[in-house]
This record gives sequence, structure tokens and C-alpha cells, in this order.
Amino acid sequence: AQRVTQPEKLLSVFKGAPVELKCNYSYSGSPELFWYVQYSRQRLQLLLRHISRESIKGFTADLNKGETSFHLKKPFAQEEDSAMYYCALLTGGGNKLTFGTGTQLKVEL
Amino acid sequence: ETGVTQSPTHLIKTRGQQVTLRCSSQSGHNTVSWYQQALGQGPQFIFQYYREEENGRGNFPPRFSGLQFPNYSSELNVNALELDDSALYLCASSTGQGIAGELFFGEGSRLTVL
Repeated sequence: AQRVTQPEKLLSVFKGAPVELKCNYSYSGSPELFWYVQYSRQRLQLLLRHISRESIKGFTADLNKGETSFHLKKPFAQEEDSAMYYCALLTGGGNKLTFGTGTQLKVEL
Repeated sequence: ETGVTQSPTHLIKTRGQQVTLRCSSQSGHNTVSWYQQALGQGPQFIFQYYREEENGRGNFPPRFSGLQFPNYSSELNVNALELDDSALYLCASSTGQGIAGELFFGEGSRLTVL
């Protein structure tokens, strides 16, 4: 069965420090992975997807099929990065997403 | 461009009652998905509707049902409410021509079952 694991409920870093939000997945098919973000008092929104291999707001994520991971990284954290981050796996042959439990990122000054 | 809107934003029901939640999809989107998000958890897929037909269902009992209307708006109905149904219910719309996995979420309806 498909599963997405985010081991950290809370990650606290100082402004300017590197950030890595961990995500591991379990899926028998060819995985398509996403990071969604929810800023305070805003709705859940797509941050980036692995297939586009792009950097959004300085964040990147590389799919590692050997380690079944899709960690989200940013070299220098900014205060505005503070948010809830969810890793998600596309399954079910359509737009069904399986989400992890989320990691709250707190960037401290 | 109008985003996804949901109503009501909050509601309280008692065990055994029935509830209907509503969602207006983003303009131009023909697919609506519903997710349940319990406290401290990620969203969990309930079901998806595409052009008024159910197009995939998660691990939820039949007392969770839905509808999609010709204007692509949608309803989620839950019968015989249980305490564990207390959660934030998220609606998300998408388009078949869009980026796969790119869902546009509403702000949710928070249901409390007493």
C-alpha cells in the first residue's frame, strides 16, 4: 500500500541556516511526488513537484528512488518560510494524493 | 479568477445526525476531490468527482457520499455522524488538462461532532 512518512512534526531553524524537510514514501508503481505548503491563515497550495525539477522560492527536492525519499531543501532559511509543509504522493491513476502528516517549519530570527 | 470556496466554514453536529458540506470549484475546473484532515494529520482522500461521476474513492465507509453538479460544484454528505468524523474537510478542484497532482484547495469546513 502507498504511504508517505514525514518523521518530524516540528523543525526549528535559525534564519540563514540550511533547511531539510524529510519525506520517505512507499509505492509499488512509478512515483510522482509533490510538496504542498500551508502558510499561516492561508489555504494549502502546491509548492513544487519532482517531475518539473524546478526551484520554487529557493526550495528544491530531488527524488531518490533508491532511498525512496523526496526531501525538501533550501540553503538559507527565511522568516517567510515558516509554514506547514506536506509531502504528497500521486496515486490511484488520477489526481488522488496521499499526504504525509506534515512538518511545521519554524524559522527563528 | 475565483478560487475554491467552501461552506459552511464551521459547524457543530451531534452524533447520529447528518451533514452536507458544499464546494464551488475554481473557474474552469471539472474535477473535485474531497479530503478529511483530522487534527495533527495530513489530508486523507475521501473521493473524487469528474464530470458528475465518482472517479475514485478512498478508504471511507458508504455513509460518506457525494455529488457533483453540472456547474462542477460539489457536495459531501455524511450520514450517521460519529465522534471520529470531527475534522477539517477540504475540497480541491483541478482540471484534466492541468498539471497532474496540482490541486487547488478551499479553506475547508471544520466539523465538530459532539
